Amino acid sequence: AQSVTQPDIHITVSEGASLELRCNYSYGATPYLFWYVQSPGQGLQLLLKYFSGDTLVQGIKGFEAEFKRSQSSFNLRKPSVHWSDAAEYFCAVGANDYKLSFGAGTTVTVRA
Amino acid sequence: KAGVTQTPRYLIKTRGQQVTLSCSPISGHRSVSWYQQTPGQGLQFLFEYFSETQRNKGNFPGRFSGRQFSNSRSEMNVSTLELGDSALYLCASSFGGQSENTIYFGEGSWLTVV
Repeated sequence: AQSVTQPDIHITVSEGASLELRCNYSYGATPYLFWYVQSPGQGLQLLLKYFSGDTLVQGIKGFEAEFKRSQSSFNLRKPSVHWSDAAEYFCAVGANDYKLSFGAGTTVTVRA
Repeated sequence: KAGVTQTPRYLIKTRGQQVTLSCSPISGHRSVSWYQQTPGQGLQFLFEYFSETQRNKGNFPGRFSGRQFSNSRSEMNVSTLELGDSALYLCASSFGGQSENTIYFGEGSWLTVV
């Protein structure tokens, strides 16, 4: 069965600094990988997804992620964080079984 | 176009009662899935429906059930509520439900069991 690990529970970053959120997955075949963001009291919004092809994926809000098969990783990055990026971020894997398996999430705090 | 709509947004129930949550998918989407989100367990898959058929089910007790109607709208029901059922219940829709289809989430229904 597929699974996702997000090693960092909480990250604090200064506004304007770069951000990197880690995600490791476990799946025997080529995975479908996703990053979602959740603001307090809200649902999940898709930031980006990887299915195949170029391993560097661009998403919304200036986010990008890189798929590294050798490391089973799909880390999310943003060059310059804005205060509005404070939220919880979830990495997820899909395995053609009509469901997503999510990591535990990483809470991002942005300090002025 | 309108996103995934969930009703009610907030509700409080008493232990032992039952609850029904509703989800209207994005127009044209035929796959609807449900997830439970709690601080302790995170996001867990409940079930997925496509054309009124359940194609996958998560590891939840039989008290959790769902259905999908011919217009793709879906409901989930939880019977004999327990305190541990307090959670945010998220509905998601996609065109076909396959992993390559983008899954869109609603804002959720907050259930508190007292």
